[in-house]
Amino acid sequence: KQEVTQIPAALSVPEGENLVLNCSFTDSAIYNLQWFRQDPGKGLTSLLLIQSSQREQTSGRLNASLDKSSGRSTLYIAASQPGDSATYLCAVTEGAQKLVFGQGTRLTINP
Amino acid sequence: NAGVTQTPKFQVLKTGQSMTLQCAQDMNHEYMSWYRQDPGMGLRLIHYSVGAGITDQGEVPNGYNVSRSTTEDFPLRLLSAAPSQTSVYFCASRDWTGVSYEQYFGPGTRLTVT
Repeated sequence: KQEVTQIPAALSVPEGENLVLNCSFTDSAIYNLQWFRQDPGKGLTSLLLIQSSQREQTSGRLNASLDKSSGRSTLYIAASQPGDSATYLCAVTEGAQKLVFGQGTRLTINP
Repeated sequence: NAGVTQTPKFQVLKTGQSMTLQCAQDMNHEYMSWYRQDPGMGLRLIHYSVGAGITDQGEVPNGYNVSRSTTEDFPLRLLSAAPSQTSVYFCASRDWTGVSYEQYFGPGTRLTVT
């Protein structure tokens, strides 16, 4: 059974720092990996999607990497801002039907 | 496009009551799904549908029914609400980008069962 783990569960850093969020998965037979952002009381917003054949994707200050063989992905946030405060979730797609989510990392950026 | 919409945003039920959570999408996506989100458990798949008239169970289907009569709508029915169904429910639809799938989520329904 696929398990997705995100470490740390919570992270607090001062504004302006670069930071890395980690995601690991137990079964490397994934279709893709997706990073989401969730603001308190809100739904999920897709940030980046990495296909299983790709190594990384970039969008603005965000960069996500994927190492399928080791079962790891990282989300790098450059020059963090208070508006980046949210919970970040990673999810892997198994076969063509099912997303398996990690429990998320709650990020706080302190002004 | 409105994307994925859900109603209601909040709901309080008494144990044993039934209700339907509504979900609609205007992106013509064939695949739709329902998740519940609980503290410490992450999001878990309840039911999904690969197109009108076709539904299947996910990881935690007990106590929930679904149907898919149109591409746009995918309602989730709670037959007899229980306190264990207190959760935040998210509906999602999925798009084929040509090379991969990408999920789009609704804003969620917060359900409390007393």
